Amino acid sequence: DQQVKQNSPSLSVQEGRISILNCDYTNSMFDYFLWYKKYPAEGPTFLISISSIKDKNEDGRFTVFLNKSAKHLSLHIVPSQPGDSAVYFCAVGDNSGGSNYKLTFGKGTLLTVNP
Amino acid sequence: SQTIHQWPATLVQPVGSPLSLECTVEGTSNPNLYWYRQAAGRGLQLLFYSVGIGQISSEVPQNLSASRPQDRQFILSSKKLLLSDSGFYLCAWTTRLGYTFGSGTRLTVV
Repeated sequence: DQQVKQNSPSLSVQEGRISILNCDYTNSMFDYFLWYKKYPAEGPTFLISISSIKDKNEDGRFTVFLNKSAKHLSLHIVPSQPGDSAVYFCAVGDNSGGSNYKLTFGKGTLLTVNP
Repeated sequence: SQTIHQWPATLVQPVGSPLSLECTVEGTSNPNLYWYRQAAGRGLQLLFYSVGIGQISSEVPQNLSASRPQDRQFILSSKKLLLSDSGFYLCAWTTRLGYTFGSGTRLTVV
């Protein structure tokens, strides 16, 4: 059973508009949440993270929102740019083990930003 | 600086042949190292992780094995590849922000 679900395999938006990527998780023990961005034939790169003590974290055009009661997080990209076109993976982890933790990833959402 | 190297970038191997993928990290000591696989239509699946030399934990039973002969070297192997082993293999190590991934190896088993 999937512990992390990204129910939208793809999303298409116009340049300049907002992109909203969603992620749901099942285990309330998860306390660390991340988003990764992946271009074809490359490894994923870290984008933004949030810990369970916060409900919002912002970094430039990227904002991650966490709703712990709903076990839901989302990534907002405003304004979207063509260079944002990539696969976005949601990842969750249990940070109680310090640096020795494992992340569980969703299946990813392919974002296409049209000029 | 801290970097992670993974090679080869692409590999085409026949069914039944052996496999060896290598990952090395620089600029850190005693890192936690991970092997992930992204199969077609699936997310990133954790295969193995290692917290030190000779220490390997397997997450899923499969046709693959891993070894850590040196502190900053992590190797993914198979004695006989299956078609289902095709995928994009990623090495990673943990940092304060999460994982840093290598550039990946695209393995196609034919």
